[in-house]
Amino acid sequence: GNSVTQMEGPVTLSEEAFLTINCTYTATGYPSLFWYVQYPGEGLQLLLKATKADDKGSNKGFEATYRKETTSFHLEKGSVQVSDSAVYFCALTPSGGSYIPTFGRGTSLIVHP
Amino acid sequence: DSGVTQTPKHLITATGQRVTLRCSPRSGDLSVYWYQQSLDQGLQFLIQYYNGEERAKGNILERFSAQQFPDLHSELNLSSLELGDSALYFCASSPRQGPYEQYFGPGTRLTVT
Repeated sequence: GNSVTQMEGPVTLSEEAFLTINCTYTATGYPSLFWYVQYPGEGLQLLLKATKADDKGSNKGFEATYRKETTSFHLEKGSVQVSDSAVYFCALTPSGGSYIPTFGRGTSLIVHP
Repeated sequence: DSGVTQTPKHLITATGQRVTLRCSPRSGDLSVYWYQQSLDQGLQFLIQYYNGEERAKGNILERFSAQQFPDLHSELNLSSLELGDSALYFCASSPRQGPYEQYFGPGTRLTVT
């Protein structure tokens, strides 16, 4: 079956530090890949997505590149802010069948001033 | 604001009871998904409806059931509640069947005492 593996958190950084959250996946075919963010007390919201190999998704300074050869979709940001503190989920949706997404366990990011 | 609404926001009930959680998808979205989020299990897919029909089932207990009505709102019914059912329950919607991003509601926090 499909699976998504994220680095365990929490990830603790100082403001303006560089962020990487690793995500690797297992799936057949060419799934679509997503990063969602969950702020305290809220539901998940889409951060960025990529639908085919070598696509780069980007939003609000965050980026992730769909790497088919390494089955990875690592999230990066060059300079984090305190307001980026949240839980980040990597997810995939298969390219066929029931299109049910598989989510990673989530990685908590804490940014200190 | 994702456009997905869920009620109630919080629910406290006793073991053995039955509750109903309600979800209204974004305007125009035909597909509704239900998820359970707990600290130890992460985000678990429960069930999906598309335009009133059940399309996929995940890790949903037999004590749980759901339906989607002609106006596309959905209800998740949880019965014979146990302490372990305490969790956050999210509803998400997407425009149609396919590898698309999902729009999450704010969730219902269920506490079983």
